[in-house]
Amino acid sequence: SQQGEEDPQALSIQEGENATMNCSYKTSINNLQWYRQNSGRGLVHLILIRSNEREKHSGRLRVTLDTSKKSSSLLITASRAADTASYFCAVAGNQFYFGTGTSLTVIP
Amino acid sequence: EAEVAQSPRYKITEKSQAVAFWCDPISGHATLYWYRQILGQGPELLVQFQDESVVDDSQLPKDRFSAERLKGVDSTLKIQPAELGDSAMYLCASSQMGQGLQETQYFGPGTRLLVL
Repeated sequence: SQQGEEDPQALSIQEGENATMNCSYKTSINNLQWYRQNSGRGLVHLILIRSNEREKHSGRLRVTLDTSKKSSSLLITASRAADTASYFCAVAGNQFYFGTGTSLTVIP
Repeated sequence: EAEVAQSPRYKITEKSQAVAFWCDPISGHATLYWYRQILGQGPELLVQFQDESVVDDSQLPKDRFSAERLKGVDSTLKIQPAELGDSAMYLCASSQMGQGLQETQYFGPGTRLLVL
């Protein structure tokens, strides 16, 4: 069973707006990773944040991690139509599991 | 850029038939994973190999699923017999450093299986 929960399940925004999606988990972690999946395709790694890090940036992506709340968020700034995809967090600790995913639609 | 290769991309089969999926990881990647992804859900790990050895197959339904990586390079996942509930996307991934699930994984395009 999957132990990572993401919200919202679906998000629809206008191009240029920011998109924020959240991941909550239940176990202790070594790192947390975010992946993107375009429809019908494999997953692409976006960013990895270690348990001793609180924030990490990569281009238009910003990831935060709060281990006390067992949660992480992914912010995509200045969204583009090409960002339309499903986004999954992946929790790596004693176990490894993907979250349930957030489906993002960016409207041109 | 090196990629993980999978074949076939799509497979339609009837229940009780046998199906097999093939994966060729990125060259030099010691760790290989097979995942199953049901539509609308996140991937679920089925089996993890380190070189030719199985590291974790706790979620693999062993009565009907089998996986091998004989020479520690490419891998085959088999289902026999297939059941209707096996309809899903089967994803293969690989990672480089031998630290298993703690590191970045590179995914192939997946095999979409439909069991009729």
